[in-house]
Amino acid sequence: EVQLVESGGGLVQPGGSLRLSCAVSGFSFITYEMNWVRQTPGKGLEWVSYIVGTGDKIYYADSVRGRFTISRDNAKNSLYLQMKSLRAEDTAIYYCARVGASDALDMWGQGTMVTVAS
Amino acid sequence: QPVLTQPPSASASLGASVTLACSLNSGYSNYQVDWFQQRPGKGPRFLMRVGAGGLVGSKGDGIPDRFSVWGSGLNRNLIIKNIQEEDESDYHCATDHDSGSNFVWVFGGGTKLTVL
Repeated sequence: EVQLVESGGGLVQPGGSLRLSCAVSGFSFITYEMNWVRQTPGKGLEWVSYIVGTGDKIYYADSVRGRFTISRDNAKNSLYLQMKSLRAEDTAIYYCARVGASDALDMWGQGTMVTVAS
Repeated sequence: QPVLTQPPSASASLGASVTLACSLNSGYSNYQVDWFQQRPGKGPRFLMRVGAGGLVGSKGDGIPDRFSVWGSGLNRNLIIKNIQEEDESDYHCATDHDSGSNFVWVFGGGTKLTVL
């Protein structure tokens, strides 16, 4: 069974940092591209970042470029999102999502909540 | 880059059919769009991909035949027939855009479907 489980969310002050993790199982992690997508409570989805299986191609949304860093450890079947200089507008549920064979975001985790507030 | 437009809400009676709209902006008529279902408190679930000619590839795992798509011009619609209570969810459409120097996934604003 394919599983993606996010962790690491919590309450952080503006300007602070947080590292999210996504532990995957049930598929060959290294062969899949991965993404982070966030959702402001009650609002729509916003793509955050993308990484290929080898980790050598990465893209970011304009809203997080320079503040967030995506990475992966294929030996640990884990995806990460290091977030720095956090702002109130970064408050959201953060999901990891797999890019499937059809190039669609075919599997998602249950999300981890990040709240940026003083 | 592409922009996807969805109505914020829709409703349908139990057992009826409903069409959820997702429209691309001008100039992107060749783009394919993915549909996702999101039940309250859950992560999104991939339903299927639609292009200008209709379904592209296979549906997501376990998606009932009641769910289908239709594509034409700039429209990439999701159709749900014989609506059930468990279909009450938020529905999102999305597309990816590779400009060569950058890459983005673009999402519509989502449609909240209420089952009456």
